[in-house]
Amino acid sequence: DQQVKQNSPSLSVQEGRISILNCDYTNSMFDYFLWYKKYPAEGPTFLISISSIKDKNEDGRFTVFLNKSAKHLSLHIVPSQPGDSAVYFCAASGYGGSQGNLIFGKGTKLSVKP
Amino acid sequence: KAGVTQTPRYLIKTRGQQVTLSCSPISGHRSVSWYQQTPGQGLQFLFEYFSETQRNKGNFPGRFSGRQFSNSRSEMNVSTLELGDSALYLCASSLGARGGGELFFGEGSRLTVL
Repeated sequence: DQQVKQNSPSLSVQEGRISILNCDYTNSMFDYFLWYKKYPAEGPTFLISISSIKDKNEDGRFTVFLNKSAKHLSLHIVPSQPGDSAVYFCAASGYGGSQGNLIFGKGTKLSVKP
Repeated sequence: KAGVTQTPRYLIKTRGQQVTLSCSPISGHRSVSWYQQTPGQGLQFLFEYFSETQRNKGNFPGRFSGRQFSNSRSEMNVSTLELGDSALYLCASSLGARGGGELFFGEGSRLTVL
């Protein structure tokens, strides 16, 4: 049973526009959420995170929104750039778990077209 | 500072063989986690080691095992390889705090089982 779901396997966006990647989770005990970006032949790299006590966290062009009642989070990239083309993974942790034990979604492949 | 280093980067094995993968974490990091990435399943948690002790374990058969040494370096072993074990195996290190936090991933070891 998937606890973290990314229902869109792919997303295509025009350069300069907004990219919105979505993630849903089922376990209400999750209290920390992260987004990772992965290029081919490389390991995932951390992008941005949010604690469950917040509903928004911003870092430059990247903003993560958390809606706990809906068990939903989203990553907004504004403006999107061709270099943002990668696979984005949503991950969650908590319920007494440790930093090393993250539950990942299956990823969304973002393509930003020039 | 140096990142997470995984060896070997690529390897090919045949069914029934065993394989050992190695991971050197970022200096000062005491937690090492292992993940399996396959096209259909995304990143799945294998296990986490902290101070030479297995702290968490994912839902994988006993053929998958690991260990951590006193210098925090870690190895994972897969015995009696099956075709379905073909995957990218990712190692990640962290300070090992409870709850949320960033994981730093290596580039992975690509295992092909023939």
